[in-house]
Amino acid sequence: AQSVAQPEDQVNVAEGNPLTVKCTYSVSGNPYLFWYVQYPNRGLQFLLKYITGDNLVKGSYGFEAEFNKSQTSFHLKKPSALVSDSALYFCAVRGEWVLRAYNTDKLIFGTGTRLQVFP
Amino acid sequence: NAGVTQTPKFQVLKTGQSMTLQCAQDMNHEYMSWYRQDPGMGLRLIHYSVGAGITDQGEVPNGYNVSRSTTEDFPLRLLSAAPSQTSVYFCASSRTSGGPGETQYFGPGTRLLVL
Repeated sequence: AQSVAQPEDQVNVAEGNPLTVKCTYSVSGNPYLFWYVQYPNRGLQFLLKYITGDNLVKGSYGFEAEFNKSQTSFHLKKPSALVSDSALYFCAVRGEWVLRAYNTDKLIFGTGTRLQVFP
Repeated sequence: NAGVTQTPKFQVLKTGQSMTLQCAQDMNHEYMSWYRQDPGMGLRLIHYSVGAGITDQGEVPNGYNVSRSTTEDFPLRLLSAAPSQTSVYFCASSRTSGGPGETQYFGPGTRLLVL
């Protein structure tokens, strides 16, 4: 079964310190991985994705993520956290969704990790 | 471009009432989908569409209907609201339904409370 796990419900970090939000995945075939951020009362915003190539992916707002195939992980990182980074972060993997009529795919989301950055 | 827009932002319904959640995108995307977000469960796919006139069920379709008469619009209908449908609903779109590189873009969400 295809799945995504975000083992931490909440991550607390002081402003200026590096941050890591963890994500592990389980898929058959090649993994296509995404990170989204949700600010309060807002929709999900795309941060970055890994399709192939370099294991370190750079995205929006200074975030990056490291793909590790052997550990089946795709952790989100930022060298220096900002208070404005406080939000809910979702990891997602593209999974196959073969239905009656149409072959398509869907995003399988983790349960989310709330990042709190303290001044 | 406005991107993906959703209305209303918030709605309160009584059990048994019906309503339509609106979703529109102005990016000429083929693929549109509806997710619901519940605490501790991430987002789950309700229905999706791979183009105008083409829709199909996702993983939690019961109690919801969709149609896609135009490329731009993808409304979600609740036929007879139930408290279990209290949730935050997100509409998403992407250029096509295939291809691993396709990014889905999300609307701001509709928060629904069913009493």
